[in-house]
Amino acid sequence: GESVGLHLPTLSVQEGDNSIINCAYSNSASDYFIWYKQESGKGPQFIIDIRSNMDKRQGQRVTVLLNKTVKHLSLQIAATQPGDSAVYFCAENKRNQGGKLIFGQGTELSVKP
Amino acid sequence: DAGVIQSPRHEVTEMGQEVTLRCKPISGHDYLFWYRQTMMRGLELLIYFNNNVPIDDSGMPEDRFSAKMPNASFSTLKIQPSEPRDSAVYFCASSLAQGGFNQPQHFGDGTRLSIL
Repeated sequence: GESVGLHLPTLSVQEGDNSIINCAYSNSASDYFIWYKQESGKGPQFIIDIRSNMDKRQGQRVTVLLNKTVKHLSLQIAATQPGDSAVYFCAENKRNQGGKLIFGQGTELSVKP
Repeated sequence: DAGVIQSPRHEVTEMGQEVTLRCKPISGHDYLFWYRQTMMRGLELLIYFNNNVPIDDSGMPEDRFSAKMPNASFSTLKIQPSEPRDSAVYFCASSLAQGGFNQPQHFGDGTRLSIL
């Protein structure tokens, strides 16, 4: 029979709109967070990171927001483009845990032209 | 700069055969990670090394899996004997820790493994 795989949350946006992808993390002791983008047939690609002593960090067209009170992380993509279509993963790490990351299940972003 | 390089990109083999996946991390990185990605379980950490020494292999599924890092520029993940349920995409990643703070892991493009 057909196997059941992970059902990824999906976000569909119109080209040019802003996208917001959300992530809830599990460990209140985590102090480092990363967003990755994974396109079909490729490995996860680093987008942006943030440490727990910050609430916000901006990159080129991307912004990461961290709310430690509710253990919530978000990635905002401005002026979303078709090339942004991919699966986006958040990951968390606790200092002195040897770089070991805990990955979320991912969100699939689909950009309509 | 060259990123993480994995080989082969694709591997198709029959059940029971030995499979060896290879990884060259980014030069200067002191951490190396092996992951497995499937539709059912997502991205799972199998094992990671620091300065060529295995630190945490708790994610290795069973004794059929083994990993080595003989030097700072090369690592292998071996499956012997292979089984159909090992079919997945296997990723290698490397990173650099500076002053106790971790830096992003950088991933290779993976090896797509199919066991028939």
